[in-house]
Amino acid sequence: KNEVEQSPQNLTAQEGEFITINCSYSVGISALHWLQQHPGGGIVSLFMLSSGKKKHGRLIATINIQEKHSSLHITASHPRDSAVYICAVSSTASKLTFGTGTRLQVTL
Amino acid sequence: DGGITQSPKYLFRKEGQNVTLSCEQNLNHDAMYWYRQDPGQGLRLIYYSQIVNDFQKGDIAEGYSVSREKKESFPLTVTSAQKNPTAFYLCASSIVGGSNNEQFFGPGTRLTVL
Repeated sequence: KNEVEQSPQNLTAQEGEFITINCSYSVGISALHWLQQHPGGGIVSLFMLSSGKKKHGRLIATINIQEKHSSLHITASHPRDSAVYICAVSSTASKLTFGTGTRLQVTL
Repeated sequence: DGGITQSPKYLFRKEGQNVTLSCEQNLNHDAMYWYRQDPGQGLRLIYYSQIVNDFQKGDIAEGYSVSREKKESFPLTVTSAQKNPTAFYLCASSIVGGSNNEQFFGPGTRLTVL
């Protein structure tokens, strides 16, 4: 079993839909990261959180430390949100452990 | 603009040849990392370095080598000993210290060995 599990693996939504991507982890962590990888391959950090909730534009990330679970929500989804969303956890100061990613396709 | 650059974006090599992937950062970060990404798998750590002239093996270091002669640069050599080198390679950097380890990623190099 991987230390970081994401669901779903693939997700297709229509423009405007509310999207949720889930991440569960099995190790103690100091922080959880949500990353976005566009088709070209580059990765951008969306959120880093260790408790509660963060919001940036249409993106919201939440984490429940007791349940070892985090969710990434996208409100009013748009085709430009199409990407792979990756959850990663910091368990030591020098290493990240990554989930396998959720491939999101938003159609018109 | 501060950031991380990787070159080239696409690289083709014949089997049995060593190849070096470039990674440069001007973020003044002490730590740098190399990851490998394969379809259906999470990023896996190859090597990392937290200070000039020092580096540590990651989870899949076999068949790879690195150097850290300058703070800004962390080149990765894929040697002929790497059994399955075709993959997407990502470089990242971060500050050292603190426990959250936010990393900044380069655009990646896609290596295809023919």
